[in-house]
Amino acid sequence: AQSVAQPEDQVNVAEGNPLTVKCTYSVSGNPYLFWYVQYPNRGLQFLLKYITGDNLVKGSYGFEAEFNKSQTSFHLKKPSALVSDSALYFCAVRGSSGYSSASKIIFGSGTRLSIRP
Amino acid sequence: SQTIHQWPATLVQPVGSPLSLECTVEGTSNPNLYWYRQAAGRGLQLLFYSVGIGQISSEVPQNLSASRPQDRQFILSSKKLLLSDSGFYLCAWSLGKTGLSGNTIYFGEGSWLTVV
Repeated sequence: AQSVAQPEDQVNVAEGNPLTVKCTYSVSGNPYLFWYVQYPNRGLQFLLKYITGDNLVKGSYGFEAEFNKSQTSFHLKKPSALVSDSALYFCAVRGSSGYSSASKIIFGSGTRLSIRP
Repeated sequence: SQTIHQWPATLVQPVGSPLSLECTVEGTSNPNLYWYRQAAGRGLQLLFYSVGIGQISSEVPQNLSASRPQDRQFILSSKKLLLSDSGFYLCAWSLGKTGLSGNTIYFGEGSWLTVV
């Protein structure tokens, strides 16, 4: 069965410091991995995804994520945090084996990122 | 470019009343469509998904139903709302071609439902 874990409910970082939001996963076959951001009372916005190829994926707003197959992780990173990065972040995974075009994407429970000035 | 519209944005309904949330997608054909519920500002629960007109798959037994009367229209309904139906409902879409599990899911802005 597919699963995704975000072990931290909240991450606190000072503005200008690097940030990491952790995500680990479990799927059958090759994983398709996604990161989304949600601002208060809004829908989820797509940040980036890993399908295949380079393990380091770059996305919107200066975010990047590194796919690590041996550790089954897909941590979200940013070299220098901004106060405006404060939001709820979701990791998601979809497996590639036995899929259909509507194979389910599983979301993590979310990590609240708080950037202090 | 593709856009997704979801309405109403907020809704306060009494227990036992009906519900209808609507979602439409523009700029693409034959999308996969989804309804999610988010409780307490955290995790997402997939309620329904559809790969075509009239084709609805339900993920969890509940007081809600979904319909897809047109290719790019997805409706979430209830005949009688319960207090536990309160939450943030999100419609979403992805490209509908078989074999593309890497397709990104794109979300609408959500609908806040409060059942009183």
